[in-house]
Amino acid sequence: DQQVKQNSPSLSVQEGRISILNCDYTNSMFDYFLWYKKYPAEGPTFLISISSIKDKNEDGRFTVFLNKSAKHLSLHIVPSQPGDSAVYFCAASAAAGNKLTFGGGTRVLVKP
Amino acid sequence: NAGVTQTPKFRILKIGQSMTLQCAQDMNHNYMYWYRQDPGMGLKLIYYSVGAGITDKGEVPNGYNVSRSTTEDFPLRLELAAPSQTSVYFCASGEGTGYEQYFGPGTRLTVT
Repeated sequence: DQQVKQNSPSLSVQEGRISILNCDYTNSMFDYFLWYKKYPAEGPTFLISISSIKDKNEDGRFTVFLNKSAKHLSLHIVPSQPGDSAVYFCAASAAAGNKLTFGGGTRVLVKP
Repeated sequence: NAGVTQTPKFRILKIGQSMTLQCAQDMNHNYMYWYRQDPGMGLKLIYYSVGAGITDKGEVPNGYNVSRSTTEDFPLRLELAAPSQTSVYFCASGEGTGYEQYFGPGTRLTVT
């Protein structure tokens, strides 16, 4: 039973355009959501997060949107840059222990 | 700050052998975690700890053991290696609920 799903395994986008990554979850107890970026042979790197009391959080080129009623979040990257080419993981946690449940990842390729 | 460090980077084990994956963090985080990532999949939580002397199971604990005698170190023990334990193992640390986790570079383990 996958509690966090990223339905698009890959995404290709032109440099300078917007990348939109989507994530759906089923557990209504999740109250904190994060996006991680991962390059090959490296550990995941934290990108941006959002608490369930908010519906939007921005950090530079990265914006995360949360729709609690739809149990859906998205990550927007504007403008996309070649260095953004990586695998992006959505993750969620419920309060106790802050244990993260990860989605399967979306591989993003930004073409120059 | 070195952040989260893991050793070894790579290891090949024969079926039935044992080994310990080392993890250390220098950020004085109380929370530490072990995840595994199988090819093309997201990360799954094996064990976690909310402080020295306190550990608990995650989603996939079978075949593993942990201990947490200090704040800095959180080793993961594989007692009887099986091919199903072939994976990349990531250690992480964090400040707890509502905070991101910081990941180490990973240990790639192959069991043959």
